[in-house]
Amino acid sequence: NAGVTQTPKFQVLKTGQSMTLQCAQDMNHNSMYWYRQDPGMGLRLIYYSASEGTTDKGEVPNGYNVSRLNKREFSLRLESAAPSQTSVYFCASSEGRVSQHFGDGTRLSIL
Amino acid sequence: DAKTTQPPSMDCAEGRAANLPCNHSTISGNEYVYWYRQIHSQGPQYIIHGLKNNETNEMASLIITEDRKSSTLILPHATLRDTAVYYCIVRGYGSGNTGKLIFGQGTTLQVKP
Repeated sequence: NAGVTQTPKFQVLKTGQSMTLQCAQDMNHNSMYWYRQDPGMGLRLIYYSASEGTTDKGEVPNGYNVSRLNKREFSLRLESAAPSQTSVYFCASSEGRVSQHFGDGTRLSIL
Repeated sequence: DAKTTQPPSMDCAEGRAANLPCNHSTISGNEYVYWYRQIHSQGPQYIIHGLKNNETNEMASLIITEDRKSSTLILPHATLRDTAVYYCIVRGYGSGNTGKLIFGQGTTLQVKP
């Protein structure tokens, strides 16, 4: 029972490089979310997908794009990475009033 | 979604009850109170949630005041493994609400031996 799986767990990029963070859930949840967490801060919502085929912006969407590939998978893309995007990225999924389940995070450093 | 206010940090002795307060004075009638915690920068972990009645599960108890403007999370017998950042989040449901969570700074609970 994997829950929410994120890949990769760690990544170092150079400024200007592109990268896609992958997220998959096996709980048949309709809603999926991407958050970022900077040191000493709470999580901030980047994008979310209320259901397959829909995506919406969260608090901090600039510099990111997302794709809800199917019900299981929700990817986050950085087209041209910037040092300000150095952060820990968390993916989550939920269904109705069921609590959100989080992955273990991707630690991304941009030099 | 209503805003929440939590103390930035608290200490608790191992084996004692930890009582973590949260103010949510602007909560509306269809909004639930959720508690999550985050240990060592792992992904947040769901603890408990409630609407207006007190709730208890294997991890904790949630006490919500009658006017719903504040709540308290109670860890009955805190252990060192309960050291974490605890987030109180108010979340609405219904049409047009996708259930997204708005995280504040949370309360850093340090359980001491």
